[in-house]
Amino acid sequence: GAGVSQSPRYKVAKRGQDVALRCDPISGHVSLFWYQQALGQGPEFLTYFQNEAQLDKSGLPSDRFFAERPEGSVSTLKIQRTQQEDSAVYLCASLRRSNTEAFFGQGTRLTVV
Amino acid sequence: AQSVSQHNHHVILSEAASLELGCNYSYGGTVNLFWYVQYPGQHLQLLLKYFSGDPLVKGIKGFEAEFIKSKFSFNLRKPSVQWSDTAEYFCAVNANNAGNMLTFGGGTRLMVKP
Repeated sequence: GAGVSQSPRYKVAKRGQDVALRCDPISGHVSLFWYQQALGQGPEFLTYFQNEAQLDKSGLPSDRFFAERPEGSVSTLKIQRTQQEDSAVYLCASLRRSNTEAFFGQGTRLTVV
Repeated sequence: AQSVSQHNHHVILSEAASLELGCNYSYGGTVNLFWYVQYPGQHLQLLLKYFSGDPLVKGIKGFEAEFIKSKFSFNLRKPSVQWSDTAEYFCAVNANNAGNMLTFGGGTRLMVKP
């Protein structure tokens, strides 16, 4: 596709439910990032992949958050036992290689009720 | 760890007014600097970036930014704003020892009145 695609665009989850958020990066992009953007704030780093390797997961807020990119393309961010504080927009970005422009998807807005 | 501050959370201007949005970062080493824009309902888009060289960088849509190393600043400017510039603007920093991870400021919401 022409850009980074994320699905679903909107997700409402009941507290305690598990959710899975999908990111389709631009074809051929090596690097993939997940960010969390709370209401009224800037995006905050969650985790980073280079191809299928997860090189940095220091931003994941708890062990309920898990990300994977098994074939080095599509990535999934999974949140187990969602809590209200998980409500945010989750952004995915991909880069062709290091030190190039990051292209962002439109994000998934997660609301935990 | 690096951090980014954007001083203005909300800015309201009339069309043709000049714009300057402040951005300061805290990190002592070499950095790459970015301004992203998010138009209503759209994804984050790169406005301009600074990696090295001329500290005055020009981006799309008439925007420019100046890197002042001694002030740890990377302010965004536009001489004459248009209604279509209404958007949220994010300053971001990538420290050279942090891979390609971006640290974002809190954003500035700009409203341009026609």
